[in-house]
Amino acid sequence: AQSVSQHNHHVILSEAASLELGCNYSYGGTVNLFWYVQYPGQHLQLLLKYFSGDPLVKGIKGFEAEFIKSKFSFNLRKPSVQWSDTAEYFCAVKVGNQGGKLIFGQGTELSVKP
Amino acid sequence: NAGVMQNPRHLVRRRGQEARLRCSPMKGHSHVYWYRQLPEEGLKFMVYLQKENIIDESGMPKERFSAEFPKEGPSILRIQQVVRGDSAAYFCASSPDGTGESDQPQHFGDGTRLSIL
Repeated sequence: AQSVSQHNHHVILSEAASLELGCNYSYGGTVNLFWYVQYPGQHLQLLLKYFSGDPLVKGIKGFEAEFIKSKFSFNLRKPSVQWSDTAEYFCAVKVGNQGGKLIFGQGTELSVKP
Repeated sequence: NAGVMQNPRHLVRRRGQEARLRCSPMKGHSHVYWYRQLPEEGLKFMVYLQKENIIDESGMPKERFSAEFPKEGPSILRIQQVVRGDSAAYFCASSPDGTGESDQPQHFGDGTRLSIL
């Protein structure tokens, strides 16, 4: 069965530190990849997505992610985090031949200390 | 410019009662998805619907759970005879098409927090 794994459950950083959140998926075929963010008490918002083309994807709020097909990975990065980035981050995969459903990782809670 | 609207935001039920969760998709969206988030876990797909059709219900529990998306009105996720283990956050998402091959992402609602006493 397809699955998505986020290695870090809780990450604590100081402001201005660099961020990298890991995401690996298990599926050998065509995938579409997403990172969503959930700020406290709010709904999930799309940070960025990869469908095809340049494997380095830039999203909102200075986030980017790189799709490495050989490693089945789609890690999220930000060079310098801010206190306002405190939130939960979810990696998700849509498998090409399975309609619209998304398979989510378990989420990574990011806490940024001012 | 309303997004995906879910109501209620919080729902409390006693064991054995029925829970009805509603989702109105974004304007122009005809595809609805329901996900469940148990404490300390990620979102798990439940069901994918178009107007009057269930496209994929592979994530739905076999008993007590049902979903519909009628021609008029919101999509409804119905849980009969609720048990403590049904306590979770239920999220609805919508998209303008099936996102099978296009690059339209799913937009999420604020969720309904269901608590079973």
